[in-house]
Amino acid sequence: SQQGEEDPQALSIQEGENATMNCSYKTSINNLQWYRQNSGRGLVHLILIRSNEREKHSGRLRVTLDTSKKSSSLLITASRAADTASYFCATLEYGNKLVFGAGTILRVKS
Amino acid sequence: DAGVIQSPRHEVTEMGQEVTLRCKPISGHDYLFWYRQTMMRGLELLIYFNNNVPIDDSGMPEDRFSAKMPNASFSTLKIQPSEPRDSAVYFCASTNLNGAAGGYTFGSGTRLTVV
Repeated sequence: SQQGEEDPQALSIQEGENATMNCSYKTSINNLQWYRQNSGRGLVHLILIRSNEREKHSGRLRVTLDTSKKSSSLLITASRAADTASYFCATLEYGNKLVFGAGTILRVKS
Repeated sequence: DAGVIQSPRHEVTEMGQEVTLRCKPISGHDYLFWYRQTMMRGLELLIYFNNNVPIDDSGMPEDRFSAKMPNASFSTLKIQPSEPRDSAVYFCASTNLNGAAGGYTFGSGTRLTVV
């Protein structure tokens, strides 16, 4: 079963703009992770934020986590055409069980 | 490391046939996961192993599905008999306890089509 819901389902932006994707979840978590999936490929781990962290950065990625609201956001700054992909949040439940949301389809137009 | 290796990449089979999907996790990873991805249901966790032992198989849809991990470097997911609704992309992923900090590594998937 899916843990999270992501918003928006699809996002289309111009190259150079920022892209923000949101994720909500339901149960207590150990950490929350974001993955990227290019069309027809496997998932690639992008960034992980622990339940006791509020914000994390990695290159052009910024992730926030609000455990009181059970939500997270992924910001991609200065987007590029190569960022076009589906983005998934996944929550690590206790027991090392990783449960994925429905994903956001991002299209970056050049 | 070559990453998580899945085979075959594509499989087309007739309804009623047995299908076996294979996975080789990253050496040193002691957790292995099988996921199924469809447009309708997204990414579903089917089963996962820790140190070759099945820990949670609550996501396995029916008795037609079975998974084994005979050793630390190999796992199989078998569907017998297969049905058209089993058509999906099946992913294998691995990690270790420290990977809870570093994320999971996914294979490229097996695209299964049952006709």
